Amino acid sequence: NAGVTQTPKFQVLKTGQSMTLQCAQDMNHEYMSWYRQDPGMGLRLIHYSVGAGITDQGEVPNGYNVSRSTTEDFPLRLLSAAPSQTSVYFCASSYKSSGELFFGEGSRLTVL
Amino acid sequence: RKEVEQDPGPFNVPEGATVAFNCTYSNSASQSFFWYRQDCRKEPKLLMSVYSSGNEDGRFTAQLNRASQYISLLIRDSKLSDSATYLCVPPIYNQGGKLIFGQGTELSVKP
Repeated sequence: NAGVTQTPKFQVLKTGQSMTLQCAQDMNHEYMSWYRQDPGMGLRLIHYSVGAGITDQGEVPNGYNVSRSTTEDFPLRLLSAAPSQTSVYFCASSYKSSGELFFGEGSRLTVL
Repeated sequence: RKEVEQDPGPFNVPEGATVAFNCTYSNSASQSFFWYRQDCRKEPKLLMSVYSSGNEDGRFTAQLNRASQYISLLIRDSKLSDSATYLCVPPIYNQGGKLIFGQGTELSVKP
């Protein structure tokens, strides 16, 4: 049982490049979400999904797109990376709205 | 006032001390809330779930004060291994998949 798997773990981008952070979970959780974490800012919700085909915005959605075509996968896309998107990104999943989130190990992104 | 506020610390305490953190919130709709623990550069992990006014698990006690709109986490007999950042998820926000965290309180337990 792998839990929540994020790839890549580290990535360096140049301003304007695009990329996708992958997130997969094998726990059959309905809810999945993406957070970013910056020093002194805690975890901020980017986007979340309550099931396949359903996504919604969190606190800081600008500059990011998501889709949820399957229960297992919830990729996060940066269409045109900016230095302000340098951060650690965490994907998480939970059973419905239990509040008990299971996090991936994080993806550390640097945008130059 | 922000919707969720935590004192970022750091709280520096000696081993064996009792320490408490608060998390204040601006609204309330349910009684369930959560404390997460995050070690340096690692993913957060659930520490305690509370589905009523409080919960106790060994050295850890979590309480909800609905009148004053804060939740607290009390750690007794602090251990070096308790050094971490503690993140709260207060009521109203743990609904519909949209969980909003406090910014975290850093605890450092010294020998």
